[in-house]
Amino acid sequence: DTAVSQTPKYLVTQMGNDKSIKCEQNLGHDTMYWYKQDSKKFLKIMFSYNNKELIINETVPNRFSPKSPDKAHLNLHINSLELGDSAVYFCASSQGQGGFLDTQYFGPGTRLTVL
Amino acid sequence: AQKVTQAQTEISVVEKEDVTLDCVYETRDTTYYLFWYKQPPSGELVFLIRRNSFDEQNEISGRYSWNFQKSTSSFNFTITASQVVDSAVYFCALSEALRGAQKLVFGQGTRLTINP
Repeated sequence: DTAVSQTPKYLVTQMGNDKSIKCEQNLGHDTMYWYKQDSKKFLKIMFSYNNKELIINETVPNRFSPKSPDKAHLNLHINSLELGDSAVYFCASSQGQGGFLDTQYFGPGTRLTVL
Repeated sequence: AQKVTQAQTEISVVEKEDVTLDCVYETRDTTYYLFWYKQPPSGELVFLIRRNSFDEQNEISGRYSWNFQKSTSSFNFTITASQVVDSAVYFCALSEALRGAQKLVFGQGTRLTINP
C-alpha cells in the first residue's frame, strides 16, 4: 500500500494551459505539503495544510493554488503554465501534532514539463 | 534565517570505500530537528534519520552512521563499506516548527556515485 501517492507521475503540457496534480495519503496524518524540486535538484517548500487549514504559504506565484478537500488529500492547481514551472513536484505528509516532532514522508513526485 | 549547506556537490568513490557527506546548518532556534533524506535515481525521497537538537549522541544503523556536533553546527553522514545501491542524491534538512506544520529547509544535496 502506497503511503503518499501522487497522480499523474508525468505531466507534459503546453504553455498557458491549466493543470492539476493530485495527492493522497493513507497514513492518517493531519498535515500535508507541496514542494518544488528544480532542475538543479533544489527542494523548496511551497505550501502546507493542517486539517484543511493553510499553514505555510511561501512566496509562490498566485497561479499556484493548493486545495485540500479533506485532510487526506492536497491537490495543486496551476493556472497559465509557464516554462519556468517545469520541475518535479513532491507531496509530503506528517502527523502535524507538534511541528518539531514531525517527520515528513514524501510521495513519488510528479515531473511537470511545460513546452 | 535557517540555512543548510552541503558543500560537496558530487562525490565519487569505489565500492567498499567509506564516505562521509558533510552538512552544516545555521539557525537561531534553540530547539530544532535535523534530517537526512535519500533520493535514488528512481526519484523518490526516502527518509533516513531525524535528530533533535538536544541529543548529540551519534547514531548507527547498519552501514550508516550520523555524527551530530552542535559546537560546529554539523550533522555529517557516513556510509561504511559503500555499495552501488547507495548511489543517490542525499539531502540534509533543518526543520522550523510552526503551529501544526513543519517547514523543512533543505541543503543543495550531494550526489554520491559508488562505482563497482
